[in-house]
Amino acid sequence: EVQLLESGGGLVQPGGSLRLSCAASGFTFSSYAMSWVRQAPGKGLEWVSTITGGGGATYYADSVKGRFTVSRDNSKNRLHLQMNSLRAEDTAVYYCEGSSNWYYFKYWGQGTLVTVSS
Amino acid sequence: QSALTQPASVSGSPGQSITISCTGTSSDIGGYNYVSWYQQHPGKAPKLMIYDVTNRPSGVPDRFSGSKSGNTASLTISGLQAEDEADYYCTSYTSSTSWVFGGGTKLTVL
Repeated sequence: EVQLLESGGGLVQPGGSLRLSCAASGFTFSSYAMSWVRQAPGKGLEWVSTITGGGGATYYADSVKGRFTVSRDNSKNRLHLQMNSLRAEDTAVYYCEGSSNWYYFKYWGQGTLVTVSS
Repeated sequence: QSALTQPASVSGSPGQSITISCTGTSSDIGGYNYVSWYQQHPGKAPKLMIYDVTNRPSGVPDRFSGSKSGNTASLTISGLQAEDEADYYCTSYTSSTSWVFGGGTKLTVL
């Protein structure tokens, strides 16, 4: 059974940093593209970032480019999202997602809440 | 990349059919057959319902179907059931090697 478990969310002040992690199990992690998708309170879904299975290519939404960095450790089956220069508009539930086909989002974690507020 | 356009809400009675539209541009929906649809119940993670415009993952009832014409994709749910009441989101791969979601549609089963 595929499982994705996010951690690292919490309250951070504007301008601060936070690192999210996602522990994966139940599939061949290195064969899956992994993504982060977020959802602001009461709002819709927003794609944030995607990293290829080998980690050689990364992609970001314009709204986070230059501030967020996605990475993965295939030896530990872990996905990370380093978030710097956080803004109030980054407040959201962040979902970890994995798929063998990167054109759609197949397996989702339960999400971790990030709140950016002073 | 602008969000795809979905109706804010749709409704239908049990047993009826409804269709949710999702409109983009030639740089996303119109340019690729990589439209997918997600169902989200309150407080839950999204669930993939349709991928590559028309394909259903294993376990998704065949009451759910997808289609596309030009820059507009559609999700049709036939034989509506109470448990179908949820938010539905479309998404498409884009020419910028990115993904764009629709704003979401709230389905109410009357």
